[in-house]
Amino acid sequence: AQSVTQLDSQVPVFEEAPVELRCNYSSSVSVYLFWYVQYPNQGLQLLLKYLSGSTLVKGINGFEAEFNKSQTSFHLRKPSVHISDTAEYFCAVTAFFGNEKLTFGTGTRLTIIP
Amino acid sequence: EAGVAQSPRYKIIEKRQSVAFWCNPISGHATLYWYQQILGQGPKLLIQFQNNGVVDDSQLPKDRFSAERLKGVDSTLKIQPAKLEDSAVYLCASSDRNRDREAFFGQGTRLTVV
Repeated sequence: AQSVTQLDSQVPVFEEAPVELRCNYSSSVSVYLFWYVQYPNQGLQLLLKYLSGSTLVKGINGFEAEFNKSQTSFHLRKPSVHISDTAEYFCAVTAFFGNEKLTFGTGTRLTIIP
Repeated sequence: EAGVAQSPRYKIIEKRQSVAFWCNPISGHATLYWYQQILGQGPKLLIQFQNNGVVDDSQLPKDRFSAERLKGVDSTLKIQPAKLEDSAVYLCASSDRNRDREAFFGQGTRLTVV
């Protein structure tokens, strides 16, 4: 089984400042990793995913994440945030083989301060 | 391509009443998921279908929750009778395991039990 830990439940950041949202995972098998974003009263939208290859993954809206196998981490970063980035961010993991169900972390609420 | 469709968007019921949610996945997606997202938490998998068969329902409270996916396309999730703690957003998602295991989410149904 897999599990995900998002260490920060809330992250306030000033507009145009950089941000990092932390995600650590646990699994006994190889995994795929995802970051989803959820805007108020909306479903989840995929930001980016790591499947294999380069450990630095670029996604939509200027976000990127780095897979670190030794640290079992998949932290999300953006060099300069905007008001429109205010949302809930979820890290998720699924096994490389077998059942493809997603296991989610508890989420990080990103609040952008004007 | 059309996304995952869910209805209704919002539902308010009294405790002990019954309620049903409907989901139409992306065409051709064999895997369908129902997730429960309680306020402030990450989505929790309730049930996973592969075509019209159940793959995982280990976290479905079977004394009150039921789900079906007739003909391997649309799905219905039912709660009978509802409890106050069932207040949550119910998210439907679908995926094609041959396409990077990415899950596509509907906008969700927000259930309030009073």
